Amino acid sequence: DVKVTQSSRYLVKRTGEKVFLECVQDMDHENMFWYRQDPGLGLRLIYFSYDVKMKEKGDIPEGYSVSREKKERFSLILESASTNQTSMYLCASSYTSGRLYFGPGTRLTVT
Amino acid sequence: GQSLEQPSEVTAVEGAIVQINCTYQTSGFYGLSWYQQHDGGAPTFLSYNGLDGLEETGRFSSFLSRSDSYGYLLLQELQMKDSASYFCAVRDGGGGGNKLTFGTGTQLKVEL
Repeated sequence: DVKVTQSSRYLVKRTGEKVFLECVQDMDHENMFWYRQDPGLGLRLIYFSYDVKMKEKGDIPEGYSVSREKKERFSLILESASTNQTSMYLCASSYTSGRLYFGPGTRLTVT
Repeated sequence: GQSLEQPSEVTAVEGAIVQINCTYQTSGFYGLSWYQQHDGGAPTFLSYNGLDGLEETGRFSSFLSRSDSYGYLLLQELQMKDSASYFCAVRDGGGGGNKLTFGTGTQLKVEL
């Protein structure tokens, strides 16, 4: 079975802090994604990567950056956390055909 | 850009059949996926339609009409455990052909 793990289930950070969310997948998938999920807004794509060191902006990249130095690991970075970045963050990976495998999510609270 | 529309809530009784519709507008289209998400859980893949027609997986079926930019998820013999949110997602051509844009989700409530 595909396994996607995220570094934390719950995280509390202060406004202005730099925040790192880590995601690791064990199925040698080419594609990795970061989404945020907010009530009533569904899942919105922040960034995705289809190869090592390659990244593309999703629909809401402002205030975020990503890093993919190894195929199995995709990191989301909040350069200076703000309260409007309080959300559930979901990492996913895929090989092809529109089938994403999601991690358990990180619920981030910025105070 | 992309936009997807699906109903926000659907209620049905146990044992019934329910259909969740999804209409989309995209600048590129490769296929339509469906995901299920229980409260507190991560989304899990249900089905994918890359071509027009019906795909069946057990009690769940999914349909796509590319000419109408429309698809639906059909759940049969509803069970209480089917109470969850259901998301349609469009696969467009971005980034190697595997970028998925999600709808806002349909909350399904199954009642006795």
